[in-house]
Amino acid sequence: LAKTTQPISMDSYEGQEVNITCSHNNIATNDYITWYQQFPSQGPRFIIQGYKTKVTNEVASLFIPADRKSSTLSLPRVSLSDTAVYYCLVGYGQNFVFGPGTRLSVLP
Amino acid sequence: KAGVTQTPRYLIKTRGQQVTLSCSPISGHRSVSWYQQTPGQGLQFLFEYFSETQRNKGNFPGRFSGRQFSNSRSEMNVSTLELGDSALYLCASALPLEGERNGELFFGEGSRLTVL
Repeated sequence: LAKTTQPISMDSYEGQEVNITCSHNNIATNDYITWYQQFPSQGPRFIIQGYKTKVTNEVASLFIPADRKSSTLSLPRVSLSDTAVYYCLVGYGQNFVFGPGTRLSVLP
Repeated sequence: KAGVTQTPRYLIKTRGQQVTLSCSPISGHRSVSWYQQTPGQGLQFLFEYFSETQRNKGNFPGRFSGRQFSNSRSEMNVSTLELGDSALYLCASALPLEGERNGELFFGEGSRLTVL
């Protein structure tokens, strides 16, 4: 049975780089890995998506090793407003599996 | 550009009743998917519709169903409600890309269902 795992919580200080890793076995060949950010009482919001190696946009980087069984979201220089829950999402056959979410707390 | 709109935002039902939730996707988006979010189980995929056809389905019982109309608007229905169905139900729309099953999802704010 496919399973996606993430650390449940992480703490960081403003200005630090934060790396959140998601493990995803049995990922399908054509599936992409996507990360979302969710604030309380809001729907998740897209951060970044990738297939392999490294992807970077204006807010984050995504590192995916060659075997694609894990991925790491990197948030550079976090601020208090980055306090949220972060989810990885991969597609497994007919079922899209979200990770359990990582609650990131950014401290001043 | 208007975002994904879900109605109603909040509703209370009793066990055994049924409920219908509505989702209007972003204009031009043809894929609509539904998710259940609870503190205990997290975000779980229910189903996805594309061009009025169910394309993907999660591991939920048959009490959970959905449909998509020709204008891409979607509804989901839960029959014979149970206490455990209390959750935030999220809808997302997307422009699926060639060869990809899950493009960027744009989520609504959700419909919070409480079953008493």
